[in-house]
Amino acid sequence: AAGVIQSPRHLIKEKRETATLKCYPIPRHDTVYWYQQGPGQDPQFLISFYEKMQSDKGSIPDRFSAQQFSDYHSELNMSSLELGDSALYFCASTKGGGRPSTDTQYFGPGTRLTVL
Amino acid sequence: DAKTTQPNSMESNEEEPVHLPCNHSTISGTDYIHWYRQLPSQGPEYVIHGLTSNVNNRMASLAIAEDRKSSTLILHRATLRDAAVYYCILSHGNQGGKLIFGQGTELSVKP
Repeated sequence: AAGVIQSPRHLIKEKRETATLKCYPIPRHDTVYWYQQGPGQDPQFLISFYEKMQSDKGSIPDRFSAQQFSDYHSELNMSSLELGDSALYFCASTKGGGRPSTDTQYFGPGTRLTVL
Repeated sequence: DAKTTQPNSMESNEEEPVHLPCNHSTISGTDYIHWYRQLPSQGPEYVIHGLTSNVNNRMASLAIAEDRKSSTLILHRATLRDAAVYYCILSHGNQGGKLIFGQGTELSVKP
């Protein structure tokens, strides 16, 4: 079965540069979540989209922005990168906006961002 | 958000059952109990979820206390591939589906 695809899998950037992470949800999934996992930490929710609209927002820095496109893929744009942005970034998808009674989130393999 | 409490780590022997506890004393009536796990160097993976009744699937069983203030994830026969961090997460109807990961339980499985 098709899974969530994230690209790139690894990314190395310098401080103050920009980065764009991409997420391709499972076919027919209309809801995308972004999570950040720092070294030795638990995943933290950043932002989510349902039917191309932002549905929820967590601890996402103002330097970060994201959107969901008409084909439901999503991009996380990160500017003025800082050393502390080095982390694993996971994307997850589900169908229907995230109903806890029925919706499971399927996670991608993650993008490892290293900021030097 | 209602909070969950799990032991930092647990050990198990291969092919033995494992019971992973989770306390959620402030759970509300509309909170579902979800379990995800994260294998080393991978994204989190759904395991099981429930509301009030015990649940079984091919991966595990979920036993929910009658007062819903605690639950237990049961792996019937642990394998080496079950070594992971297990997260117990509460989600409710108006939360929009986001997962709030707390400190999970790191399960190690000995051959």
